[in-house]
Amino acid sequence: ELKVEQNPLFLSMQEGKNYTIYCNYSTTSDRLYWYRQDPGKSLESLFVLLSNGAVKQEGRLMASLDTKARLSTLHITAAVHDLSATYFCAVDPKGGTASKLTFGTGTRLQVTL
Amino acid sequence: GAVVSQHPSWVICKSGTSVKIECRSLDFQATTMFWYRQFPKQSLMLMATSNEGSKATYEQGVEKDKFLINHASLTLSTLTVTSAHPEDSSFYICSAALAGADTQYFGPGTRLTVL
Repeated sequence: ELKVEQNPLFLSMQEGKNYTIYCNYSTTSDRLYWYRQDPGKSLESLFVLLSNGAVKQEGRLMASLDTKARLSTLHITAAVHDLSATYFCAVDPKGGTASKLTFGTGTRLQVTL
Repeated sequence: GAVVSQHPSWVICKSGTSVKIECRSLDFQATTMFWYRQFPKQSLMLMATSNEGSKATYEQGVEKDKFLINHASLTLSTLTVTSAHPEDSSFYICSAALAGADTQYFGPGTRLTVL
C-alpha cells in the first residue's frame, strides 16, 4: 500500500522567512504533484513533477523531486501572508496517463505578519 | 485551461434521503473521472475511479451500493449518496483527466451535510 507522508503537519512562520515542506512516499514513482487548498475550497494545482531531478519554481515556491530517495520538497522563500493555506503532495505510482492519486497528510501553513 | 464544475456546491439533507452530485468537464472530454472525499482537517481520500461507459472501480472500504457512480458521457459523472447518514457529511471533490494526459483537473467540491 502506497503511503505518502508530509512534514511538518503544521507550520507557523513569520513573513520574510524561508522554510521547506517535505513529502516522502513509500513506493517507486516518477510522478508527483503539489496542490494548495484554501479553507473551504478545492485544490489548486501548483506543480507537476514528472522525472527524477525535476525542479519547478513559481513565485516564492519551488518544488523538487528525487525519485531515488522517494522525496519531494516544497521550498518557500521569503514567505508572505497570502501563502497561508494547506499544501498537499500527491503521488501517482503508475505513470503513463493520469491515474489515481494518493495524497499526503497535508501541511497547514500559517504565515504571520 | 481545463475546467471542471460540480453541482451543487453545497447541500443539506435529512438522514435517509439520497443526494446526487454532478461533475462536469466543461471544455474537454474526460475519459476518466475520480471521486474523492475529504473530512474536516484531513487529507483527500480516493473513493472511486470512473471510466466513461463502464462500471466504476471502488477503493477498498467504499461501499459501492451506497455511493453510486455513473459516468454516462465523456463530460459528466455523477455520485449518488444513497440513504445518507450524518457520518456521510463531508466535502466531496471530483477530478477529471484527459485521455493521454498526465494531470487531473479538480472540481470546486460539494459540501454535504446530513442532518
